[in-house]
Amino acid sequence: GDSVTQMEGPVTLSEEAFLTINCTYTATGYPSLFWYVQYPGEGLQLLLKATKADDKGSNKGFEATYRKETTSFHLEKGSVQVSDSAVYFCALSQSLGAQKLVFGQGTRLTINP
Amino acid sequence: GAGVSQTPSNKVTEKGKYVELRCDPISGHTALYWYRQSLGQGPEFLIYFQGTGAADDSGLPNDRFFAVRPEGSVSTLKIQRTERGDSAVYLCASSFSLDGNTIYFGEGSWLTVV
Repeated sequence: GDSVTQMEGPVTLSEEAFLTINCTYTATGYPSLFWYVQYPGEGLQLLLKATKADDKGSNKGFEATYRKETTSFHLEKGSVQVSDSAVYFCALSQSLGAQKLVFGQGTRLTINP
Repeated sequence: GAGVSQTPSNKVTEKGKYVELRCDPISGHTALYWYRQSLGQGPEFLIYFQGTGAADDSGLPNDRFFAVRPEGSVSTLKIQRTERGDSAVYLCASSFSLDGNTIYFGEGSWLTVV
């Protein structure tokens, strides 16, 4: 079945550092890809998405590019802030919308001032 | 409220007991989803509804789990004869329709079976 694999955490960085969180997937066809974020005490929120190969999703300074050839959707940010501390989840969906999301295990990110 | 509301936020129950978890979706959202998140794992799909009907319940782990949405708004996830392995955060989410890519999650109901 479909699956998503994320780099293991926790990840700890200093403020203004460059961030990469790796995500690879196994799926048939052309799934939609997502990054969700969970801030402390809050529910999961959609951070960005891409629905076809070579699409780049971006939001709040974060970016991820849908790479069909490497089945990857790595999350990047050029300069992280303390407020980016959260748990990040990569996910895919085979449906037109996001009815059945398949999530990775999550990566906890801590940014130190 | 503005977001998806789930109650209770925390529930501790004894093994073998019956539990109900409630979800109030965002007003106007026709699609509703339940996921389960075990400690250290990502959420796993359980079931989703379009209106009152369960469009896909393939993620329910066994027949002890059941969910309803009788009026197309509030949904209840029901767990019979709870087991310690059912301990997890149960997440509810909603969206305007099944075609919408953005689904909005609640904060979850933490269930602990002792």
